[in-house]
Order: sequence, then structure tokens, then C-alpha cells
Amino acid sequence: NAGVMQNPRHLVRRRGQEARLRCSPMKGHSHVYWYRQLPEEGLKFMVYLQKENIIDESGMPKERFSAEFPKEGPSILRIQQVVRGDSAAYFCASSPLAGVLSYEQYFGPGTRLTVT
Amino acid sequence: AQTVTQSQPEMSVQEAETVTLSCTYDTSESDYYLFWYKQPPSRQMILVIRQEAYKQQNATENRFSVNFQKAAKSFSLKISDSQLGDAAMYFCASGANSGGSNYKLTFGKGTLLTVNP
Repeated sequence: NAGVMQNPRHLVRRRGQEARLRCSPMKGHSHVYWYRQLPEEGLKFMVYLQKENIIDESGMPKERFSAEFPKEGPSILRIQQVVRGDSAAYFCASSPLAGVLSYEQYFGPGTRLTVT
Repeated sequence: AQTVTQSQPEMSVQEAETVTLSCTYDTSESDYYLFWYKQPPSRQMILVIRQEAYKQQNATENRFSVNFQKAAKSFSLKISDSQLGDAAMYFCASGANSGGSNYKLTFGKGTLLTVNP
């Protein structure tokens, strides 16, 4: 069973460009979480999605950031008009169920975004 | 709201010896989980050990064990017989087991563990 897949692993964007990060959850997992890790910091929750639904986006900046998890295909975290402060590692995690078993969150390898 | 504090930015240990990483947390939840994750240089996040707050017995996974002091809100990780492959950043994390956000993990800033041969 393949783990959580994220691509690309490294992404370089110039200021003002768009960054699109992809996450394919583990087989059978329908719950996806995105976390951001700034330099020298722990991971911070951004958004929780189920198929075709955003459940909680309380950790996501109000502007320029959006996330989706379509019925088919990977979850996408989109950052428009990137700025240097967006440079970070973005991790995706997935779980098979909500509630208590959601703590079995399996993490992908992350995408390191560098904004120049 | 939950907070997790790791007061040791860096620790080092000799190979084959034992090291303890500290973590304190604060939560208004009565039912919650605590975790230690390992992040090696590959940056992959790996779950090391999990503790359910309602369980009094400390969790153990091979060479990894925790000392869970609920009243003190302390959750330390002990690594016995340290190996070179244990070198990594270690993150303590918590998650509520009830309420509307029982899926959100809160992480500390991490402790960088160096293992000396």
C-alpha cells in the first residue's frame, strides 16, 4: 500500500507566481489535512478536507490560499501570487476515518516551496 | 485551544545510551491524545509513539517509551540504546478526542537530537 504521495517535492516560484501543491492520500483514505512548517517551527494546521468538502480551513490565510479535494484526483493546495513569506514546507496527511481514528494521520514527505 | 511546548531546542546522546526529550502541553479538553513524531533529514514525518490521555499506563514501542504525567501536563520521550538512525528532529503533538475539531494536531517547535558515535 503506497503511502501518502506529494508532488512536487521541491518547488521554486518567483514572487507573484502561483504555486500548486498536490497530495494523493493513502488508498482508502478519504480525509486529507494540510500543515505548513515554517523554518525553525513545528507544523501548523491549515485545512481539513473530505472528498468535495472543506471541513475546516481555520488555519489557512484568508487571502491567496485555497484548497480542494475533488471526487477524483489528488487534493490541491493552491497559493496565488506567492510572497517570500510563503516559503515553507507543506505537508499533507491522510486518515481513513474522522473522529478519534483521525489521529492515525499518515504524513507525506512534504513539498518544500521556495519563493525567490 | 491547545499548546505544546518543547523547551529543548537541541539534545545530544552517545550511541547506545539513553536520552529523554521533554514536552509539556496545555489543553482545555478532557479527552485527548499525545504523540511523538520523528522528522529525519529526509523531512518525512514518522509517528514514533502515541498515548491516549485516559490511559494511565505509559506507552512503549520497542526502544521508545513515554513518561506521561497527566496532572503536570508533561509528556516526555525516552529513547533507550540510542542508535545513529535515531538522529532527527522530534516533535511532540497533541490532539483533542472530542468536540468540533477532533482531528487537528498541534505541534511543538521540535527538539533536534544528535547521536554521537
